This record gives sequence, structure tokens and C-alpha cells, in this order.
Amino acid sequence: TQLLEQSPQFLSIQEGENLTVYCNSSSVFSSLQWYRQEPGEGPVLLVTVVTGGEVKKLKRLTFQFGDARKDSSLHITAAQPGDTGLYLCAGENSSASKIIFGSGTRLSIRP
Amino acid sequence: DSGVTQTPKHLITATGQRVTLRCSPRSGDLSVYWYQQSLDQGLQFLIQYYNGEERAKGNILERFSAQQFPDLHSELNLSSLELGDSALYFCASSPHEEGGKAFFGQGTRLTVV
Repeated sequence: TQLLEQSPQFLSIQEGENLTVYCNSSSVFSSLQWYRQEPGEGPVLLVTVVTGGEVKKLKRLTFQFGDARKDSSLHITAAQPGDTGLYLCAGENSSASKIIFGSGTRLSIRP
Repeated sequence: DSGVTQTPKHLITATGQRVTLRCSPRSGDLSVYWYQQSLDQGLQFLIQYYNGEERAKGNILERFSAQQFPDLHSELNLSSLELGDSALYFCASSPHEEGGKAFFGQGTRLTVV
């Protein structure tokens, strides 16, 4: 069974601080996506990474896909209250036609 | 607004009943995904349809079924409902058969009493 473990589960930090969220698996994924979900809303796709070692930047957010395509990280620089939400990683294994979501990291940024 | 429309937004029903959740994908998107999100299980992929055909299956119970119609809207049918089926059910659409950018609807909150 493929599993995606996210850490930490909860994170509360002060505005302006940096943070990193991790998404780990023992399985290889053909692609991995990061989403942010706010209460009462559906997840919103932030980025898709496909190539091992790939790094993508989205303003203050930096996403990295591990060389072996088994893990990923999301780094936020100078966090702002608007970054608050549930961050989900999702791995796709195209050969097995499956999409698996991690359990999520609930991030809270204090003003 | 993602462009994906789900109805109804809220649904309360009794155990043993059957309900149908509806999803209208973004214009032009051929893929529709269904997900279940509960507090203890997180976001679980149920099933994907692409251009009317089932493409991928996840942790979908046999009591649940889905279909995608020629106009590309999709329905998720949940039958013999149990208390544990209470959850948020999301639909997402994408122009791609696999991978790429998927857009989520706002979800249907199902409460089984």
C-alpha cells in the first residue's frame, strides 16, 4: 500500500518566520502535487513537480521533488497570515492509475 | 471560483438511504475526479472518469458508484448509507487524462444520521 506521510501535522508560527513542510513516501511517484485548502473550500492546486530533483518557486513558496521521486518539501519564506490553511501533497502513480493524498499539514500564521 | 460546480452543497439523510451527488466540470475539461474527505481519513481518491470512461479507481466502496455523461457532467451515487459515510465529497476536473492541473469544486457536505 502506498502511503504519503506529511510532517508536521500542525504548525503555528509567527508572521515573518520561515517554515518547511515535508511529504515522504517509500514509493516512487510519477508526479507530485501540492494543494492548499481553506475551511469550507476545495483544495487549490499550487504546483506539480514531475522530475526528480526539480525545484519550483511560486513567490515565497519553494517546492522540491526528491531525486528519487519519493519525497517532496514545501518551504515558505517570511510567512504571512494569508498562508494559513491545510497543505496537502498528492502523489500520482500513473502505472497503477492511483492518486494518493497525504494527511495534510495544518498551518497557522499568527500576526 | 474554480469553475467546477457541485450540488447540493449540503445533504442530510438517514442511514440506509441512497443519494446522488452532482458535478459539472470546468468547460472543456474531460477528466472528473471524485474524492472523499473526512476528519480521520483525510482526502481519499475515489474514482476518475475521462471523456465518459472510467480511468482510475481508488478506495471506492462497492456501495458507491459513479458515471460521467456525454455532456461530461458526473454523478456519484452513494447507497445503503452508513454513519461513517458522513464526509465532504469533492469533485475535481482537469483537461488532462492524467497529471496536470486539477480544479476542485467546493464540495458536498454529506451528513448521515
